[in-house]
Amino acid sequence: DAKTTQPNSMESNEEEPVHLPCNHSTISGTDYIHWYRQLPSQGPEYVIHGLTSNVNNRMASLAIAEDRKSSTLILHRATLRDAAVYYCILRVNTGGFKTIFGAGTRLFVKA
Amino acid sequence: DAGITQSPRHKVTETGTPVTLRCHQTENHRYMYWYRQDPGHGLRLIHYSYGVKDTDKGEVSDGYSVSRSKTEDFLLTLESATSSQTSVYFCAISDRGEAEAFFGQGTRLTVV
Repeated sequence: DAKTTQPNSMESNEEEPVHLPCNHSTISGTDYIHWYRQLPSQGPEYVIHGLTSNVNNRMASLAIAEDRKSSTLILHRATLRDAAVYYCILRVNTGGFKTIFGAGTRLFVKA
Repeated sequence: DAGITQSPRHKVTETGTPVTLRCHQTENHRYMYWYRQDPGHGLRLIHYSYGVKDTDKGEVSDGYSVSRSKTEDFLLTLESATSSQTSVYFCAISDRGEAEAFFGQGTRLTVV
């Protein structure tokens, strides 16, 4: 099964941009790249997803490498509320689009 | 918030007893998923469903079974609970396979 690799933790200053990297070198052509985040004692929350092209929404931007073997989640201005565990995920098209989570990156935001 | 409800939210049970967790959605989404989350492991997929009566195994399906007799409900059953199944269980739903998934608030299960 396709897997993702992320740094265990990252630190950012408040109001500065944050670039969270993810490697997914075994991605297949039909696998979608998703990002979720999880706050303590809550279920994961959807952030953004894409297939080949870069994507923007109100929460973040997703930059996907041309060979699709890596991607970067960009938070344009980190706030204290962005401190969470961020998961880079592949939605694997096996008929059921099962979703495989990696270990995630814990983002610390300093005031 | 997506209409997804997990019940119970907390449960303590004894080793060897059967346990059923329920995930209920009001969104009419086709796909439903059960995950467990343990310290150091992130979320791991147990089983998923891509339609009524259509289910498949995830990466940690041993000791678990599921059923989906109607669109809105996805049941996870531990036939004979073991201490290793102590975990937080999350249900998720999605409309299309590639679309965003919405997660429930989780069920904390303790097997003593």
